[in-house]
Amino acid sequence: KQEVTQIPAALSVPEGENLVLNCSFTDSAIYNLQWFRQDPGKGLTSLLLIQSSQREQTSGRLNASLDKSSGRSTLYIAASQPGDSATYLCALYPFGGNKLVFGAGTILRVKS
Amino acid sequence: DADVTQTPRNRITKTGKRIMLECSQTKGHDRMYWYRQDPGLGLQLIYYSFDVKDINKGEISDGYSVSRQAQAKFSLSLESAIPNQTALYFCATSDPRQAQETQYFGPGTRLLVL
Repeated sequence: KQEVTQIPAALSVPEGENLVLNCSFTDSAIYNLQWFRQDPGKGLTSLLLIQSSQREQTSGRLNASLDKSSGRSTLYIAASQPGDSATYLCALYPFGGNKLVFGAGTILRVKS
Repeated sequence: DADVTQTPRNRITKTGKRIMLECSQTKGHDRMYWYRQDPGLGLQLIYYSFDVKDINKGEISDGYSVSRQAQAKFSLSLESAIPNQTALYFCATSDPRQAQETQYFGPGTRLLVL
């Protein structure tokens, strides 16, 4: 059974710092992996999606990498801002599956 | 206007009551999903529907039922609510025709069962 783990569970950093959020998974047979942002009262928003054949995706200050062989993905946030404060969720589609498998998330707080 | 809407946004009910959560979407997507989120556990899939005539159980469907009234509407029912169904509930949609299929989430319904 595919399991997705996110470390750390919570992170507090000063504004301007570069940071990395980690996601690990137990089965490398995946179709794609996504990073979502969750804001209170606003649901989840997809940030980046990496297909199985890709190594990384970038959007603005965000960069997500995927290493299937080690079962790991990272979300790198450059020059963090207070507006980046949210919960970040990692989720993947297993091969042969028809549903997303989610990690528990990392709660990020960026202090001004 | 939001593409995926959920009603109500907050609900308090008592054990044994029947309750319905509603989801509507204007994205024209065939696929719709219901999830619940508990603190520290991420999102778990309750039910999903790939079109109006297709309903499937997710990993935690016991105690829940759904109805796909139209392409745009997908309702979740708790026939007899119990306290451990207290959670944050999300509806989502997706379109398999997209090159990179992702899911679009509603704002969530916070449910408290006393």
